[in-house]
Amino acid sequence: SQQGEEDPQALSIQEGENATMNCSYKTSINNLQWYRQNSGRGLVHLILIRSNEREKHSGRLRVTLDTSKKSSSLLITASRAADTASYFCATDEGGSQGNLIFGKGTKLSVKP
Amino acid sequence: EAQVTQNPRYLITVTGKKLTVTCSQNMNHEYMSWYRQDPGLGLRQIYYSMNVEVTDKGDVPEGYKVSRKEKRNFPLILESPSPNQTSLYFCASSLRGWGTVEAFFGQGTRLTVV
Repeated sequence: SQQGEEDPQALSIQEGENATMNCSYKTSINNLQWYRQNSGRGLVHLILIRSNEREKHSGRLRVTLDTSKKSSSLLITASRAADTASYFCATDEGGSQGNLIFGKGTKLSVKP
Repeated sequence: EAQVTQNPRYLITVTGKKLTVTCSQNMNHEYMSWYRQDPGLGLRQIYYSMNVEVTDKGDVPEGYKVSRKEKRNFPLILESPSPNQTSLYFCASSLRGWGTVEAFFGQGTRLTVV
């Protein structure tokens, strides 16, 4: 079952600009995570936000969570060419032993 | 170094020839899982395990088997591979329940079945 759906599917920006990616999900969750994947490589965890949190920061990353709208956003500020990657949101299914379900991802291209 | 190790990284095989993709983690994690990644479909979970001898089906388990005899290892077995199993496979592990803490991923196994 596909839980998270990212939007847009692809995003192309210039270095220095901000990049915003959105994720919508269907069922109630305990936590939502964002991961990054460089082309064809393994996923790397970026940030986890709990259902009782509304915003979280980590370096140039800012994540928001709106449980009433079942949506989250990932903002990358002052983007760099090295930020070029695919970004995925992942959610549990709300249960105590829920699976980690990924969306299809946003492909971000940052041009120097 | 904390890591999830998959082998092999690349594999080309023929239809029907049994194969095993190994996955090992050195973090004493309880949870392990296999995903396949296909263009336009994202990551889909194949099987997962919450502890030794405890495994369960994910979203796309058909044609795959797994076993969890030891905590650190979680091999993926394709008894009779078919071309529709050509994909990029990832193993992941997590200290405890999925979604409660970060998951660690292996570098992937690119499988081609001809």
